[in-house]
Amino acid sequence: QITLKESGPTLVKPTQTLTLTCTFSGFSLSTSGVGVGWIRQPPGKALEWLALIYWNDDKPYSPSLKSRLTITKDTSKNQVVLTMTNMDPVDTATYYCAHISSSSWAFDPWGQGTLVTVSS
Amino acid sequence: QSVLTQPPSASGTPGQRVTISCSGSSSNIGSNYVYWYQQLPGTAPKLLIYRNNQRPSGVPDRFSGSKSGTSASLAISGLRSEDEADYYCATWDDSLSGPVFGGGTKLTVL
Repeated sequence: QITLKESGPTLVKPTQTLTLTCTFSGFSLSTSGVGVGWIRQPPGKALEWLALIYWNDDKPYSPSLKSRLTITKDTSKNQVVLTMTNMDPVDTATYYCAHISSSSWAFDPWGQGTLVTVSS
Repeated sequence: QSVLTQPPSASGTPGQRVTISCSGSSSNIGSNYVYWYQQLPGTAPKLLIYRNNQRPSGVPDRFSGSKSGTSASLAISGLRSEDEADYYCATWDDSLSGPVFGGGTKLTVL
């Protein structure tokens, strides 16, 4: 059974850097065809893809946020870390991580999400 | 504004069949698989349909997906109250080199 869980601060100040950790079980990021993605959802709004990291360390980023994002993996700890610099109130959202694999290339399953509020 | 266009809302009565559309372009839906996610109130999205029309195990066959050209549709037959949720389409966009989502459709069961 694959599970993922996001962790990180619930409140950050404008201009600060956000660091989120996705801790997973049930799969390995060293297995060919496997990846972890980050997706966010502002309150009452749609889903927005942020970044992906694959088993081979390929790291596509959302073009609109690429300059602010960094995604890394720690295969030994079964963790993926996303950092987002220069946080702004418009970045207030629930941040999800999700498993992806070549069997379907779908985000499945998703973590429960973590709400991050950006406010001074 | 989302890359994929969905109607903001849809509704139906129990037992009815409803469809939700998703419109894109040649760089996304036109050349890639379409996925559908169901988001029940207060929960994380769940995969409903993958590769245009495939259902993961556990998803009832009341849910079906189709794709034609640069558009896709999700159909729900035998509508039930527990189907009330937000539904999102998604696909890969070759121009953006990443996944894109629709704006979501809120389904209300009357």
